[in-house]
Amino acid sequence: QSALTQPASVSGSPGQSITIFCTGTSSDVGGYDYVSWYQQHPGKAPKLMIYDVSKRPSGVSNRFSGSKSGNTASLTISGLQAEDEADFYCGSYTSGSTWVFGTGTKVTVL
Amino acid sequence: EVQLVESGGVLAQPGGSLRLSCAASGFSFDSYGMSWVRQAPAKGLEWVSVISGSGGSTYYADSVKGRFFISRDNSKNTLFLQMNSLRAEDTALYYCAKYSHYDSRGYPDYWGQGTLVTVSS
Repeated sequence: QSALTQPASVSGSPGQSITIFCTGTSSDVGGYDYVSWYQQHPGKAPKLMIYDVSKRPSGVSNRFSGSKSGNTASLTISGLQAEDEADFYCGSYTSGSTWVFGTGTKVTVL
Repeated sequence: EVQLVESGGVLAQPGGSLRLSCAASGFSFDSYGMSWVRQAPAKGLEWVSVISGSGGSTYYADSVKGRFFISRDNSKNTLFLQMNSLRAEDTALYYCAKYSHYDSRGYPDYWGQGTLVTVSS
C-alpha cells in the first residue's frame, strides 16, 4: 500500500493552466478507473473535485479536468485563479479492495 | 445535505485505546460504505479503513491492521473506529468520510471536519 507519487509542488500564474501527475501501479491507478482528486485548503477538510478519472461532481468548476494513461493519472486546472491555491491529492481504488492516496501537491498561484 | 460529525479525539497514552465516533445525517446511512482517513500534522492524507453499508465487509491499511477496528450502528447512523495499541505515529486528525458506493469499490465523497488524536506520554 505505497502512496501514489505526486510532485511536491506546482505553480502557475493567474489564467495559466497547470497539470498535476499522479503515478501508481497496475494494482491501483492502472488497474481501475476509480481515480479521484481532492482539494484541501489550509485547516479545511478535503473536497472531492474529480471522480472516476474524469467526472466532475455537481458544483465543481469545469476548469478542473482529469484523465489517465496507463499507471498515471493527471489533474489539469485551466484558467488558474487565486482561490485554486491549495493542496491537491489523488486517490485510487486498489486490488486489495482498499484505497490509497497520493503524496500531495501544493499548488501555488504566483 | 450530508453531514458528518466526528468525536472522541483526545490525548492518549502509547499502548492505550480510544474509540472514535462519527454521527451521520442527510443521506441513507446504511446504503453507503463509510471510511476513516487520517492526516498527521503537516502531512498528507492516509486512508485507514472502510466498512460496507451492512457492516459485513471491512478493509484496513497495513499500518493499522490488527490494531484498529471499524464498525457501524445503522440504527443510530453512527460509524466507529476502535483504536488499540496506540503508537506515537497514530497522532493525526481523523476524518470520517462517506463512500460513493455501498461497498469498498468506490471513493470517499463527503468528509467531516475531523477529530484530533494525540498519542503521547
